[in-house]
Amino acid sequence: SQELEQSPQSLIVQEGKNLTINCTSSKTLYGLYWYKQKYGEGLIFLMMLQKGGEEKSHEKITAKLDEKKQQSSLHITASQPSHAGIYLCGADRGGSNYKLTFGKGTLLTVNP
Amino acid sequence: DADVTQTPRNRITKTGKRIMLECSQTKGHDRMYWYRQDPGLGLQLIYYSFDVKDINKGEISDGYSVSRQAQAKFSLSLESAIPNQTALYFCATSDSSSNQPQHFGDGTRLSIL
Repeated sequence: SQELEQSPQSLIVQEGKNLTINCTSSKTLYGLYWYKQKYGEGLIFLMMLQKGGEEKSHEKITAKLDEKKQQSSLHITASQPSHAGIYLCGADRGGSNYKLTFGKGTLLTVNP
Repeated sequence: DADVTQTPRNRITKTGKRIMLECSQTKGHDRMYWYRQDPGLGLQLIYYSFDVKDINKGEISDGYSVSRQAQAKFSLSLESAIPNQTALYFCATSDSSSNQPQHFGDGTRLSIL
């Protein structure tokens, strides 16, 4: 069974709209990483969350970690076409950042 | 220049051929990783290396081998390629002395006919 479930699998929004992507773990989270991938290209690191309740923001992207719920959310405010891509969450199982388990990804399309 | 460089970026080959994918890094990180990504699936860890003399199998190591030639170089080999090894392959690095995320290369798109 998939240890990390991302929802939705895909999302189409109009430019300017807000959106949220969720990542839910079936096991304890020691750390949660968000990456963005343009189709067929490498992963770009976005944010790392390690403490329950932690929230980080960069430009128009905010990520939160709910440790009790074993869940993280990624929120984009006022989306732009440049936000389009695949968003992947990765979970650190052992607290050492060397064995990451990844979700299947959320494909985001932003229509101008 | 990219911090994590993968070569080649694209490769098409035939079943049964031996293939080597190479990864080099200028970040000075001690840990290196090989992942594969299939359409609609997440990344799966193939092998990882903590240093030149420490290499470990990941989730899906069957059919693959690796070599850590130096701290900065980590290569992945497919001894006898098969079509279901067609995928996008990523190399990543991390630093064990700091609590920082893994850094990824741009990937190698491998097609096996």
